[in-house]
Amino acid sequence: QTVVTQEPSFSVSPGGTVTLTCGLSSGSVSTSHYPSWYQQTPGQAPRPLIYSTNTHSSGVPDRFSGSILGNKAALTITGAQADDESDYYCVLYMGNGIWVFGGGTKLTVL
Amino acid sequence: QVQLVESGGGVVQPGRSLRLSCAASGFTFSTYGMHWVRQAPGKGLEWVAIISYHGSNKYYADSVKGRFTISRDNSKNTLYLQMNSLRAEDTGIYYCAKDWEMVYFDYWGQGTLVTVSS
Repeated sequence: QTVVTQEPSFSVSPGGTVTLTCGLSSGSVSTSHYPSWYQQTPGQAPRPLIYSTNTHSSGVPDRFSGSILGNKAALTITGAQADDESDYYCVLYMGNGIWVFGGGTKLTVL
Repeated sequence: QVQLVESGGGVVQPGRSLRLSCAASGFTFSTYGMHWVRQAPGKGLEWVAIISYHGSNKYYADSVKGRFTISRDNSKNTLYLQMNSLRAEDTGIYYCAKDWEMVYFDYWGQGTLVTVSS
């Protein structure tokens, strides 16, 4: 059973930079997993941020960026703002029509 | 603009069935794959199933395989999720989401709540 791993929580100061990661319990994340990232605030549907590792979804500001760092996918937020305080989820395409979400990272801006 | 509106959620006893619907508008429904994603109370997102644009290809998470069936009616621009043999752990918000090129979920509905409880 493949598990997609994310940091359970992270904190960043306003104006600071934070990098959230998305890994695999076994193996490395690559561009072939088409990593994508979603932001979710309480009571709301997820909002797409990044897809295909590093492509911005429509309307997403440039201070959100995606990459592969080592053996993980990464979401970097530069110049963090108060309204970036949310849950962030990555999802990986595992092939054969199967997708797996990470457990999510709760980001606190303080 | 793209709109996805889920319906059909409610309270159901363990072992019973429920069918969810997702009404789509604002795009050519018949040319896109569609997903169901769920979220248990206070928990993370879980991918449930995907159906291809023509409905011929369907894939499921192991947790629902054999119990849930995804389907679509392109003449009605509607996606469905038939859920049988429901369990308490199936409780949560169920979102439908539009697929883009088997790469990501580019639009989401607001979800419908399913509660499995006796």
